[in-house]
Amino acid sequence: SQTIHQWPATLVQPVGSPLSLECTVEGTSNPNLYWYRQAAGRGLQLLFYSVGIGQISSEVPQNLSASRPQDRQFILSSKKLLLSDSGFYLCAWRDYAGQPQHFGDGTRLSIL
Amino acid sequence: AQTVTQSQPEMSVQEAETVTLSCTYDTSENNYYLFWYKQPPSRQMILVIRQEAYKQQNATENRFSVNFQKAAKSFSLKISDSQLGDTAMYFCAFSPQGGSEKLVFGKGTKLTVNP
Repeated sequence: SQTIHQWPATLVQPVGSPLSLECTVEGTSNPNLYWYRQAAGRGLQLLFYSVGIGQISSEVPQNLSASRPQDRQFILSSKKLLLSDSGFYLCAWRDYAGQPQHFGDGTRLSIL
Repeated sequence: AQTVTQSQPEMSVQEAETVTLSCTYDTSENNYYLFWYKQPPSRQMILVIRQEAYKQQNATENRFSVNFQKAAKSFSLKISDSQLGDTAMYFCAFSPQGGSEKLVFGKGTKLTVNP
């Protein structure tokens, strides 16, 4: 069966520091991968998605970037974090067209 | 651009009773998918139910069912025999068919099931 791993679960970072959040999927090949952010009391906002290795699409201009160095690995990064980057970050995957997305457990990011 | 609206920020229901959560959406697409996700206090996003727009029959999953009205662009979730474990944020989401099939979420409804 397919599983998704996302880490770390919680992260506290100072303003201006770099960021790297990692997500890996097991049990499937060539999945679509997604990064979402959830601000407090809000729904999820799509940040990036990828339909294949090295293929990244950005949904909103921001301080973040994403990379997909391997088929089932999706990384969210920043060179310098801002206070506004605080939030709950969720990675998701989908295999076949029309199938629902399945989410990781999320990372709670706090910027001090 | 597609939008999803959940007009009920909070709702409560007594255990064993039935509750309906509302969702409307706006799109010019003809083929798409609709979903309800549940986010309990643990914050994990869990798929509750899925509906394909080309299917007229409403989807059901055990105690969960939807009322899909394509012309009205309405997609409500009915929870029967509510249980304490149903307490969670519920998000309605839209996905166009084809391409990335990215999800557009509503802002959520916080459901509390009272004993």
